Amino acid sequence: GAVVSQHPSWVICKSGTSVKIECRSLDFQATTMFWYRQFPKQSLMLMATSNEGSKATYEQGVEKDKFLINHASLTLSTLTVTSAHPEDSSFYICSAREPGQGNSPLHFGNGTRLTVT
Amino acid sequence: AQSVTQPDIHITVSEGASLELRCNYSYGATPYLFWYVQSPGQGLQLLLKYFSGDTLVQGIKGFEAEFKRSQSSFNLRKPSVHWSDAAEYFCAVGAPNDYKLSFGAGTTVTVRA
Repeated sequence: GAVVSQHPSWVICKSGTSVKIECRSLDFQATTMFWYRQFPKQSLMLMATSNEGSKATYEQGVEKDKFLINHASLTLSTLTVTSAHPEDSSFYICSAREPGQGNSPLHFGNGTRLTVT
Repeated sequence: AQSVTQPDIHITVSEGASLELRCNYSYGATPYLFWYVQSPGQGLQLLLKYFSGDTLVQGIKGFEAEFKRSQSSFNLRKPSVHWSDAAEYFCAVGAPNDYKLSFGAGTTVTVRA
């Protein structure tokens, strides 16, 4: 079945540095990917929709200069947390849908645990 | 706007017993409905989905869910749980062909021996 891969699985960084998270669709091309954020014991909150070849669409309240999204190819979207602070510590999950598959559901990556010290 | 409510934050069930997780949604038309399961520190795995047609949907791992339009519900059931079913379960709703899903707060399932 379709697989979405995220890298890294976990990352620890110092406050003020930037961190890049990759999301890859391994056996299908994804024109659209989604980035979610999940706080401990809470649900997933959609951050942005990543569109191949165009700008990402951010949800209300999400700082686009803080969370840079690039979808340069049909199999790769990246999320860069810029000038990270401890409050950015969270679990970030990406998802993608196989295009042209009618009502195919979203496939999720295994997530990235970000800890900012 | 669409939204999902999962009334039960935490459910404990004995191994071999039946399980039912509640999900209520708010959406103006017939939504796309999903149940996902998440193990600790992992991403989400799709258990089942409803788009149209038969309101009783069969999924993986022995799970099923029933769409009830009159109650705006999409409850998840399993006749006999296994210890490996201990996880976090999320109900999600989306507009047809949109795929911007709204997730419920999740229900943590604990399975006791």
